[in-house]
Amino acid sequence: KQEVTQIPAALSVPEGENLVLNCSFTDSAIYNLQWFRQDPGKGLTSLLLIQSSQREQTSGRLNASLDKSSGRSTLYIAASQPGDSATYLCAAYNTDKLIFGTGTRLQVFP
Amino acid sequence: EAGVTQFPSHSVIEKGQTVTLRCDPISGHDNLYWYRRVMGKEIKFLLHFVKESKQDESGMPNNRFLAERTGGTYSTLKVQPAELEDSGVYFCASSHALGEQHFGDGTRLSIL
Repeated sequence: KQEVTQIPAALSVPEGENLVLNCSFTDSAIYNLQWFRQDPGKGLTSLLLIQSSQREQTSGRLNASLDKSSGRSTLYIAASQPGDSATYLCAAYNTDKLIFGTGTRLQVFP
Repeated sequence: EAGVTQFPSHSVIEKGQTVTLRCDPISGHDNLYWYRRVMGKEIKFLLHFVKESKQDESGMPNNRFLAERTGGTYSTLKVQPAELEDSGVYFCASSHALGEQHFGDGTRLSIL
């Protein structure tokens, strides 16, 4: 049974720092892995999708890596800004369904 | 292109009443999924439609929940009768084939 864990649960940093959010999964036979952002009271915004044959994806200041052999994915945020404050979720594709982690709540203060 | 749309955005009902949530997927997406997040827990899968057929309903909690997708377009999720533990946020997502899933803003359900 696939389980997804995210560390840390919460993170508070000053503006400008480079950040690493961690996601681990128990079953390496994942299909894809997706990172989301959720703002309070809002829906899920897709940030990056890494297909099982890929090792990383980049979008602007965001870079996500995937290491299936170790069961880990990391989301790297460069030069963090207050607007990056949100909850970040990773989710592993288990054939047709997504298995979500509990998220990392990020606060970036000026 | 319009995204996944969910109605209502928020519903408050009393225990024992019935509530119906609606999801309109992205046009052309045959795959439609329901998920929910209850208080303090991670988002969990409920079920998956391919067109009008239920492909996987392994996450449905009990028979008080009924999902339909008549005609393979929009979907409804009915809770009857609602219980306190059903409170949470219900998300809908859609995808083309088994590709990237696109989520709606969710329906926040409060049972009093």
